[in-house]
Amino acid sequence: DGGITQSPKYLFRKEGQNVTLSCEQNLNHDAMYWYRQDPGQGLRLIYYSQIVNDFQKGDIAEGYSVSREKKESFPLTVTSAQKNPTAFYLCASRIRPSGSYEDTIYFGEGSWLTVV
Amino acid sequence: RKEVEQDPGPFNVPEGATVAFNCTYSNSASQSFFWYRQDCRKEPKLLMSVYSSGNEDGRFTAQLNRASQYISLLIRDSKLSDSATYLCVVTPPSGSARQLTFGSGTQLTVLP
Repeated sequence: DGGITQSPKYLFRKEGQNVTLSCEQNLNHDAMYWYRQDPGQGLRLIYYSQIVNDFQKGDIAEGYSVSREKKESFPLTVTSAQKNPTAFYLCASRIRPSGSYEDTIYFGEGSWLTVV
Repeated sequence: RKEVEQDPGPFNVPEGATVAFNCTYSNSASQSFFWYRQDCRKEPKLLMSVYSSGNEDGRFTAQLNRASQYISLLIRDSKLSDSATYLCVVTPPSGSARQLTFGSGTQLTVLP
C-alpha cells in the first residue's frame, strides 16, 4: 500500500542533542512538508519541498534543517538551536493528479518528540 | 489577518445536535479546500473535500462560498464518535510556490 511512513513515533532527546525524524513516501509525490503541532494548537509549517534537491523555509524554520536528496525521503533534523522542541511533528505530501482540479494530501502518523 | 481562520471553539454539544463550523480564508485565488478531522494525539485525516456546489457525505455537509471566502462544515445528528478537532485546509493557487495552509482547528465534544 502507498503511504507516508514517519519514524520514530516517540523520541526522547537530551538538551543540546540533534535528532533526525524520518519521513518516507512511496506515493511518487513531488511536494513534501513538515509541520509542528503544539498541544491545543494548529499546524505550523517548518519546511517544505516542491522537488528533489530544493526546499524552502516555512513559518518556523529556525532551529530545524531538512534535506531532499531523494524524491521519497524528506528527513527533518531538530538541532540544539531549537529552544523548545517538545511537540508533535507531522510530515505530509501533496499531489495534484493530472487532469484534476484538486490536491490530494497525505499525512504520516506523526512523531512525538520530548526533550528530557 | 491570518491566511486561514476558524471558529475558536471549543464546541460542546449534546448527542443528536446539529453543529456548524466556519473557516475563512484570505487568498481569493486559493485552489482547493478540505475539512480534516484530527483525533487526540493522531495525524489529521481527510473528512471531505469542499466544492462550491456543496458536498454531502451522510451526516456531514461541506460548502464553499467563494464570494465571501469561507467554507463551512455542518454535522447533523452528532454522535459521541464525532468528538475531535476539525481542521480546515486551503491549498494555494495552481503554480504557486506557497504551501498548504491549515486553520488552527475547532474542537468539538459531543456529550451523552
